[in-house]
Amino acid sequence: EVQLLESGGGLVQPGGSLRLSCAASGFTFSSYAMTWVRQAPGKGLEWVSGISGSGGATYYTDSVKGRFTISRDNFKRTLYLQMNGLRAEDTAVYFCAKDWTTDGPLFVCDHWGQGTLVTVSS
Amino acid sequence: EIVLTQSPGTLSLSPGERATLSCRSSQSVSSSYLAWYQQKPGQAPRLLIYDASSRATGIPDRFSGSGSGTDFTLTISRLEPEDFAEYYCQQYGRFGQGTKVEIK
Repeated sequence: EVQLLESGGGLVQPGGSLRLSCAASGFTFSSYAMTWVRQAPGKGLEWVSGISGSGGATYYTDSVKGRFTISRDNFKRTLYLQMNGLRAEDTAVYFCAKDWTTDGPLFVCDHWGQGTLVTVSS
Repeated sequence: EIVLTQSPGTLSLSPGERATLSCRSSQSVSSSYLAWYQQKPGQAPRLLIYDASSRATGIPDRFSGSGSGTDFTLTISRLEPEDFAEYYCQQYGRFGQGTKVEIK
């Protein structure tokens, strides 16, 4: 059974940093691109960042470029999102998710974690 | 930058009725990257359709996707009580703003 378990969310002041982790199990982690998607309170889904299975290619939405860094450790089967320079508008539930196919990255995700809440506030 | 526009914003229907949700892209996109998701409050999204028209594993056949180029459609042939939720289209990462299907 595929499982994705996010951790690392919490309350942080504007300008601060957090590192999110997503522990994966139940599939060949290194074969699949992975994605972070966020959802601000009461709002829609926003794709944030993606990474190829090898980790050699990374992708970001414009609003987080230069502030967020996606990475993965295929030996530890863990996906990360390092978030620096956090802003109030980064407040959201952050989901990690896996591509449905090994032919990615397509960022079409068939399994999702339950999300971790990041709140940026003074 | 490609923008996905979903319509209508809200669809008010009764159980048993047919739901037709639209997703329009500002530029022609490959069907290979077009997906539909369902999300219920407090839950993670659930993949319904990928490649514009292929049902994901375990998705009932009352859900179907169609379209190409700039216009895509998600159809729910007969709404079941558990189908009332928010629906999002997605193309290579970016999402539409969502359509809420609510009970009339």
